[in-house]
This record gives sequence, C-alpha cells and structure tokens, in this order.
Amino acid sequence: GQQVQQSPASLVLQEGENAELQCNFSSTATQLQWFYQSPGGSLVSLLSNPSGTKHTGRLTSTTVTKERRSSLHISSSQTTDSGTYLCAIDRANAYKVIFGKGTHLHVLP
Amino acid sequence: AQTIHQWPVAEIKAVGSPLSLGCTIKGKSSPNLYWYWQATGGTLQQLFYSITVGQVESVVQLNLSASRPKDDQFILSTEKLLLSHSGFYLCAWSLGDWYYEQYFGPGTRLTVL
Repeated sequence: GQQVQQSPASLVLQEGENAELQCNFSSTATQLQWFYQSPGGSLVSLLSNPSGTKHTGRLTSTTVTKERRSSLHISSSQTTDSGTYLCAIDRANAYKVIFGKGTHLHVLP
Repeated sequence: AQTIHQWPVAEIKAVGSPLSLGCTIKGKSSPNLYWYWQATGGTLQQLFYSITVGQVESVVQLNLSASRPKDDQFILSTEKLLLSHSGFYLCAWSLGDWYYEQYFGPGTRLTVL
C-alpha cells in the first residue's frame, strides 16, 4: 500500500532560522497536502500542493510528483510555529487519505 | 461562517462500555464528512468518510462504526470499547473530494481504562 515518510522526525531551531521538511511517498499521488497540528492536537491545513511550487506567507512547498517527494520550507521561524507538521496524500481514491508520522518542530526563543 | 463542533471534548470510559462521539457542521450544506483517529504519539488514520446522508464508507477497521443521520451530523460509535480505542478523534469536512481542503474540528480525547 501507499506509504508516506517524513523527515526529519524532529527539528529544533532558534527563532529566525529557516526549516526544511521533507515528505516522500511510495506511489503516485494525485493530491498532497501539508497540515499543522498544534501541541493540543488541533489540525489546520497549510498548503495543498500536488505538483510544482506554492507559497503562502512564510511557507513554500515544492512537490516533484515524478520523484514522489515534497518539501515544506518555513522561513524566519517563530516560536508559534512549534508543533507537528504532517504530510498527507490520497490513497488512489479521491476520498481516502494517508498521513505521514510528521515532523515535530520546536522553535526556541 | 462555517463551524464544526465535536462532542464531548474528552471522555474517560471503561473497557467494554459503549461509545458515541458526535460531530456537527453548521453553515455548509451537503459537505463531505470524515472521521480520523490518532493514538497517543501515533500517526493520524482516516477511519470513515461520508459523501451524503445515510451513506458511510469505512477506510480502516477498528471495531468502530459511523453513521450520518443528518446532512450536518456525523456519529462515531461502538458497543464495546477496547483499550486500543484510546486516542484523539478528529472530524473534518470538505466541499468536495480529497482534492479540496479539509477543515478539522477541535477533536475528542478518549481514554479507555
């Protein structure tokens, strides 16, 4: 079945540093989304990016579909960016989703 | 504005007891609805999805069932809880299929003892 691997598993930064998160998946995906999960558990969609490069605020995602990988770049990190970043793809069914284990980001003041 | 509510916020239940978790979406008609589960420290897993009232599709079997009795309501239940059911349950909605952004509720934290 489809698998999603995220790296690194955890990342510690000083405020102001940039972060680069990776997502690799085992088979072609028609949709890929990045989510942020707060320490309390709530989930927010950050970017929908099945291919190419997309920007929103301090976030940039680049997905290379042929190479089955996506990255999420966070520029000028802030302490409020701390939490878990999840990558998710479709399971070859438009309504089915598989998530990676996430990257735990901790930004120090 | 659309709002999504989940109830209860948290629940502590005994093994073997029944469970019912609810999710309501206000301000959006005929949304697609989803249930997700996450064990403590684990990966978020999709459990069910529903495209229309009365129709629910299972994605992962965890001895749970789901129903959509109304357009804006999604219920997750079981007659007998297992220890392995502990975790965080999230409900989500979207306007269309997975290609569209999903909006998540605040979640329900379940502890089974």
